Amino acid sequence: DAGVTQSPTHLIKTRGQHVTLRCSPISGHKSVSWYQQVLGQGPQFIFQYYEKEERGRGNFPDRFSARQFPNYSSELNVNALLLGDSALYLCASSPGTGGYNEQFFGPGTRLTVL
Amino acid sequence: AQTVTQSQPEMSVQEAETVTLSCTYDTSESDYYLFWYKQPPSRQMILVIRQEAYKQQNATENRFSVNFQKAAKSFSLKISDSQLGDAAMYFCAYTTQAGNMLTFGGGTRLMVKP
Repeated sequence: DAGVTQSPTHLIKTRGQHVTLRCSPISGHKSVSWYQQVLGQGPQFIFQYYEKEERGRGNFPDRFSARQFPNYSSELNVNALLLGDSALYLCASSPGTGGYNEQFFGPGTRLTVL
Repeated sequence: AQTVTQSQPEMSVQEAETVTLSCTYDTSESDYYLFWYKQPPSRQMILVIRQEAYKQQNATENRFSVNFQKAAKSFSLKISDSQLGDAAMYFCAYTTQAGNMLTFGGGTRLMVKP
């Protein structure tokens, strides 16, 4: 079975631009979460979606938005990019919500903002 | 807000020896889940072991075991018979029963010497 996939692998943008990151969960998983991992730090929670509804939001500005599609794939959008948005963006999927559900992580998208 | 702290930025262990990674957390919840994740240089985060707070018995997965001290809010990971493939970043993480987000510590880089 395929694991969580993310695209693109790497991305270079300039300040002020917009970016869209994509995630496909493991087949059968209905929950997708997004995390930002700045170099040398632990991941920080951005969003969780379940059945196309937002179930959780971390402490990130409104420039960050996300959505989940009927096939449970997800997009993370970041507007007006800042240098500080440079990070590894991780997507994780799980069968459902609830702490007992293991979250399976994708390989991440490395975003560099110049 | 829940916080997770890993006080050891780096640890080193000789191959075949045992090493313990430390983690403390802060929460007002009584039921929650704790995890240790491994992130090798290839970046993909994988679950090593997890502990349900309501279980008194410490979790064990092959060479990996935890020492869960609920009153002290401590959750350490012991790796026995260390192998070269154990070299990675290790993150301690916490989530509530609702499980809508993982809170990660800052990570410990484990080096394994041959």
